[in-house]
Amino acid sequence: EIVLTQSPTTMAASPGEKVTLNCLASSSVSYMNWYQQKSGASPKLWIYGTSNLASGVPNRFSGSGSGTSYSLTISSMEAEDVATYYCLQLSSYPPTFGSGTKLEIK
Amino acid sequence: EVQLVESGGGLVQPGRSMKLSCAASGFTFSNYGMAWVRQAPTKGLEWVATISYDGSSTYYRDSVKGRFTISRDNAKSTLYLQMNSLRSEDTATYYCTRAGLWVFDYWGQGVMVTVSS
Repeated sequence: EIVLTQSPTTMAASPGEKVTLNCLASSSVSYMNWYQQKSGASPKLWIYGTSNLASGVPNRFSGSGSGTSYSLTISSMEAEDVATYYCLQLSSYPPTFGSGTKLEIK
Repeated sequence: EVQLVESGGGLVQPGRSMKLSCAASGFTFSNYGMAWVRQAPTKGLEWVATISYDGSSTYYRDSVKGRFTISRDNAKSTLYLQMNSLRSEDTATYYCTRAGLWVFDYWGQGVMVTVSS
């Protein structure tokens, strides 16, 4: 089973600040997906295939990475970005999620 | 608009059974694999099971193998999860999700399952 380790676990950013969330895989994966989950809501697909933004996702978000190291970047933090972000790999079974990064605003 | 609506959750005693349903609409259900993902209270997401578009292939996480069965009725555009021998550690919100190409793209609102005496 591929283990995904997300860092940091929790972070707070100021409005306008650049934010980078990381996802490290225990073995190489072909691509990474990211989900945004707001409190009390179901997860939403946010980034798929490492770098493709899902429909409706603001272009201040971007995704990158390869092999075992992937990241989600917000170029300029906004209040609406407060949420927990999870990475998901489907390169090999079983599918595995990272434990999440909780993003807060200062 | 793609919609996935789960139902069938609630409170159940340990060792008992429960069946979840997920009604799909807004897309051709029979063209897509489907999956269940769960989230224990205050915890992260955990994949449970996947079924192929035609139901011929199923996959389960180890902790539910032999206890849970994923199935589908393409004529009714409905996904199911039969859960037997339930344990307290199965307590979670269960989400139905569409398995697109290499991604779980659409998710339902979730249904809560509480296993407790």
